[in-house]
Amino acid sequence: EIVLTQSPGTLSLSPGERATLSCRASQSVSRSFLAWYQQKPGQAPRLLIFGASSRATGIPDRFSGSGSGTDFTLTISRLEPEDFAVYYCHQYDNSPRTFGQGTKVEIK
Amino acid sequence: QVQLQESGPGLVKPSQTLSLTCTVSGGSLISDNYYWTWIRQHPGRGLEWIGYIFNGGYTSYNPSLKSRVSISVDTSKNQFSLHLTSVTAADTAVYYCAREPVVWGQGTLVTVSS
Repeated sequence: EIVLTQSPGTLSLSPGERATLSCRASQSVSRSFLAWYQQKPGQAPRLLIFGASSRATGIPDRFSGSGSGTDFTLTISRLEPEDFAVYYCHQYDNSPRTFGQGTKVEIK
Repeated sequence: QVQLQESGPGLVKPSQTLSLTCTVSGGSLISDNYYWTWIRQHPGRGLEWIGYIFNGGYTSYNPSLKSRVSISVDTSKNQFSLHLTSVTAADTAVYYCAREPVVWGQGTLVTVSS
């Protein structure tokens, strides 16, 4: 099983700042089958990034994904008020599929 | 545009079987080669992958649930289903169906309680 470890657990930032979220895998995620989701309270997760770096339909370009192998990053270039939420990484390369434990981006 | 909708009882008694259905609209379970997936989220917790069904019949399950879970497809109704046996309060969660990794349903809360 591929264990995904996200860091930091909580990120306290102000609107307009840059957010950098990390997702580290216990073994290589081949084919870069790594996705990032945003979740707000009471809502289903929303896909932001798939294939490690491809933005999903309708996702603003301030969201970008990068990385390969065991190290992946989600970057939000300038935080907007609606970006404060919990973010999860997810590998869909191997079974069992796994999720990271989440990073909460909160308003400083 | 594919859309998914979960349905099923919101309350299940301990030791009984939790059964949920996901109705797929705007796409076909059979003609599309996708992984049709169930995921759950315990209250205030992270996301837990339950399992998937692929290509009409191949399944893979979370090892922690494997002895109690099954996923099946009803092609005539364009639906896939989750069955989780011998439930306890620890199975109380929001259950999501998804077409991995892009399309998710809105989720349905299932509470296990007598």
